[in-house]
Amino acid sequence: KAGVTQTPRYLIKTRGQQVTLSCSPISGHRSVSWYQQTPGQGLQFLFEYFSETQRNKGNFPGRFSGRQFSNSRSEMNVSTLELGDSALYLCASSLAGIMSGNTIYFGEGSWLTVV
Amino acid sequence: GIQVEQSPPDLILQEGANSTLRCNFSDSVNNLQWFHQNPWGQLINLFYIPSGTKQNGRLSATTVATERYSLLYISSSQTTDSGVYFCAARNAGGTSYGKLTFGQGTILTVHP
Repeated sequence: KAGVTQTPRYLIKTRGQQVTLSCSPISGHRSVSWYQQTPGQGLQFLFEYFSETQRNKGNFPGRFSGRQFSNSRSEMNVSTLELGDSALYLCASSLAGIMSGNTIYFGEGSWLTVV
Repeated sequence: GIQVEQSPPDLILQEGANSTLRCNFSDSVNNLQWFHQNPWGQLINLFYIPSGTKQNGRLSATTVATERYSLLYISSSQTTDSGVYFCAARNAGGTSYGKLTFGQGTILTVHP
């Protein structure tokens, strides 16, 4: 079956602009989470959605937001971009059911460069 | 929150050598995964192993939950094993299935 799909794969934005990234989870998965990876901070949790509800949020400013749709697809938005937002943004999905085993699968990521 | 530490930070091997990567975590976990990050950035699942031992080809992993550590073994290493290996864990408490805390990774370089 298809894996986690993220779009776009690469994008360049200017400081002050906003960006929206999209994630389609594995079919049947209801939990979608987002992570930011930078050379300095490593992999950091942004937020997690389950059945259209945000269940958990990491330590990021309010400029970072997200949502999940009824088909489990998710989007994250970063407003008023700063140079430090340049990073690889990774989306992950999991079944989140009691018998799921909780294995989490990642997409290929979206590389964001802010200039 | 839970802390995850990996060692060593860097590892350089000759092809054919064996290696052991370690992951220590600070609290009880119900999710412990090992990933290999490919050059394009994707995190590839190696093992889901909150406890016990698993093997997949030349790779195997062991998690001793009571002592809060996990080990990833790579035998007969190949140049294609090069890359960054991450350990990630989730606290046993709480309801979030998606929140993993990652270690800083081990950069493995295998020379021919």
